[in-house]
Amino acid sequence: DQQVKQNSPSLSVQEGRISILNCDYTNSMFDYFLWYKKYPAEGPTFLISISSIKDKNEDGRFTVFLNKSAKHLSLHIVPSQPGDSAVYFCAASGLTGGFKTIFGAGTRLFVKA
Amino acid sequence: GAVVSQHPSWVICKSGTSVKIECRSLDFQATTMFWYRQFPKQSLMLMATSNEGSKATYEQGVEKDKFLINHASLTLSTLTVTSAHPEDSSFYICSAKGQTMEKLFFGSGTQLSVL
Repeated sequence: DQQVKQNSPSLSVQEGRISILNCDYTNSMFDYFLWYKKYPAEGPTFLISISSIKDKNEDGRFTVFLNKSAKHLSLHIVPSQPGDSAVYFCAASGLTGGFKTIFGAGTRLFVKA
Repeated sequence: GAVVSQHPSWVICKSGTSVKIECRSLDFQATTMFWYRQFPKQSLMLMATSNEGSKATYEQGVEKDKFLINHASLTLSTLTVTSAHPEDSSFYICSAKGQTMEKLFFGSGTQLSVL
C-alpha cells in the first residue's frame, strides 16, 4: 500500500520555465512533508519542507504547496535551471508509524537548456 | 545543515564474504538512524530503523540475519551484509535524525557490487 504517491515518473521542462512536481498521500495522520533531491550515485539532499499547519512554504526558487483536504502537495521550481535535473522524492512523516518517513517513488526532472 | 558521513562510498566483494557499511552523524546526536536500499530507477526502500542502544526494527521482507544493524552510539550505526550474494548488489543509503529534528539527513550512499 503506497502511502505516498508520485504518479509522474518523469517530467521534462525548458530552462527558465516552471517545473511542477506533484505528490499525493493517503494517510491523514501525516503532519510533516518534505522534498528531497537526488543525483545518481549520491544520497538524497533535503530541499524544502512544510508542516501541516501551513499551506505554502517558499525558499528562493522553490515553493511547496500543501492542500490537506485533497491530500496533495506540489513542488514548484521557478525558474528551472539545467542543474535542477535530478530525481525528486516527496516524503511524509507523522506520529503514526513512530515518525517514520515514507518516500514516494520519485520523479525524474529533466531541464533542457 | 547537519552532516552524515557514510563509508565506504563503493565496495566490490566476492560472493560469500561480509561487508560492513558505516554511517556517522558528524555534528549531532542521531537518536534514530534508517537504512535504505535503492535499485536502479526505483525509489528508496526502507530496510530497517535503528534506535541507539536497542535492536533494530526491520521492515517486512528484510532478513535480519543477513542485514545486521548495530547502533551502539549516538553517532554511529553500521550495516553488515553477511554472506553477500550478487542479488545483494545495490545502492545502500543511511539517514539519521536527532531527537528534536523533523528532517532526515542522508549519507552519500554506498554502491555494493557482489561478484
